[in-house]
Amino acid sequence: AQSVTQPDARVTVSEGASLQLRCKYSYSATPYLFWYVQYPRQGLQLLLKYYSGDPVVQGVNSFEAEFSKSNSSFHLQKASVHWSDSAVYFCALSMRAGGYKVVFGSGTRLLVSP
Amino acid sequence: EAGVTQSPRYAVLQEGQAVSFWCDPISGHDTLYWYQQPRDQGPQLLVYFRDEAVIDNSQLPSDRFSAVRPKGTNSTLKIQSAKQGDTATYLCASSRDRPNTEVFFGKGTRLTVV
Repeated sequence: AQSVTQPDARVTVSEGASLQLRCKYSYSATPYLFWYVQYPRQGLQLLLKYYSGDPVVQGVNSFEAEFSKSNSSFHLQKASVHWSDSAVYFCALSMRAGGYKVVFGSGTRLLVSP
Repeated sequence: EAGVTQSPRYAVLQEGQAVSFWCDPISGHDTLYWYQQPRDQGPQLLVYFRDEAVIDNSQLPSDRFSAVRPKGTNSTLKIQSAKQGDTATYLCASSRDRPNTEVFFGKGTRLTVV
């Protein structure tokens, strides 16, 4: 079955440090992959997306993600985090199933400490 | 461009009561999704439509939940007899029926069943 796994429920990093949030997917065909962010009391917002081409994709606020077909992964990275990056991050997989079905991982809560 | 609009923003019910959630997607978006997001969890797909047709409602508790999109635009999600386990935020989202397309989310309806 198609699924998305985010193994880390919570991640804490210091401001200015680098960040990696992990995402693994399970899907037999070519995946469309996304990272969304959810700030408190706000809706989900798209950070970046991947379908094909360069496995490293750039997103908003200096986030990037690297796709690995061999590892079935789509990890989110940022070179230097800011306190305002504290939020919940969701990895998502879109698959063709009649329409485009989008399933989400359980999310990773990021806390950036001063 | 107006975003996805949901109402109400909040609802508090006693067990056994009924409630309806309303969603107005982005104009021109043929695909509409309803997700349930329990506290501290990822969005879980309940049902999605392409135009007025239900594409997948396999995760919708059919004995108490129903969803319609009669003209392929607005949609209503109804809970017939709410249970405490239904306490969650209900998210509506919409997109175009194209590969690698972003899904846009509304702010959600936060439901509390006491």
